[in-house]
Amino acid sequence: GAGVSQSPRYKVAKRGQDVALRCDPISGHVSLFWYQQALGQGPEFLTYFQNEAQLDKSGLPSDRFFAERPEGSVSTLKIQRTQQEDSAVYLCASSLVGRGGLSYNEQFFGPGTRLTVL
Amino acid sequence: SQQGEEDPQALSIQEGENATMNCSYKTSINNLQWYRQNSGRGLVHLILIRSNEREKHSGRLRVTLDTSKKSSSLLITASRAADTASYFCATDEGVNNNDMRFGAGTRLTVKP
Repeated sequence: GAGVSQSPRYKVAKRGQDVALRCDPISGHVSLFWYQQALGQGPEFLTYFQNEAQLDKSGLPSDRFFAERPEGSVSTLKIQRTQQEDSAVYLCASSLVGRGGLSYNEQFFGPGTRLTVL
Repeated sequence: SQQGEEDPQALSIQEGENATMNCSYKTSINNLQWYRQNSGRGLVHLILIRSNEREKHSGRLRVTLDTSKKSSSLLITASRAADTASYFCATDEGVNNNDMRFGAGTRLTVKP
């Protein structure tokens, strides 16, 4: 009965370093979402996967951000050449079925990874 | 970009009092949801209200939705210290259900 887990919980990087953030969704969940939450703000959508397919990456702020979910379960968000403005909490969420249609599917959130870029 | 805006930004009350938080949004929606976030934690889903509903209850929570004013309110009755958290509204819009847009949140502090 594990929920969504993320690792690491905290990451400190020097400006220019590459980082990789991991998300383990709830087993069997089709949809996976990444959000970025700046201090004192609400989460902002980054990207969406349905199984292994990345169907929406419209929220990724630059081409330094890259996400993958190669086997349709675990996902990794990679940020290359980190900048100070990348400092934020990165939240992952999963839901049981795919996006679209009229039915609502609850998203279950992980605890987030707090990234600090010095 | 964020869709919803909550007010107040911060609210401090005594235990036992009621807390009311408001959310306004800009475009047509399918659903509006309220989430809670404890410090350093992920978001927990509280309640969903559909665009054709006007009011919904869940335990000590009451949510209203006024689509003509593009606004929603969350009322927490008989507040407890454990209700201390940030509360966010999230709307989904357009053809993609689950494509949520969050507001900046209301920071609620309930003093024992």
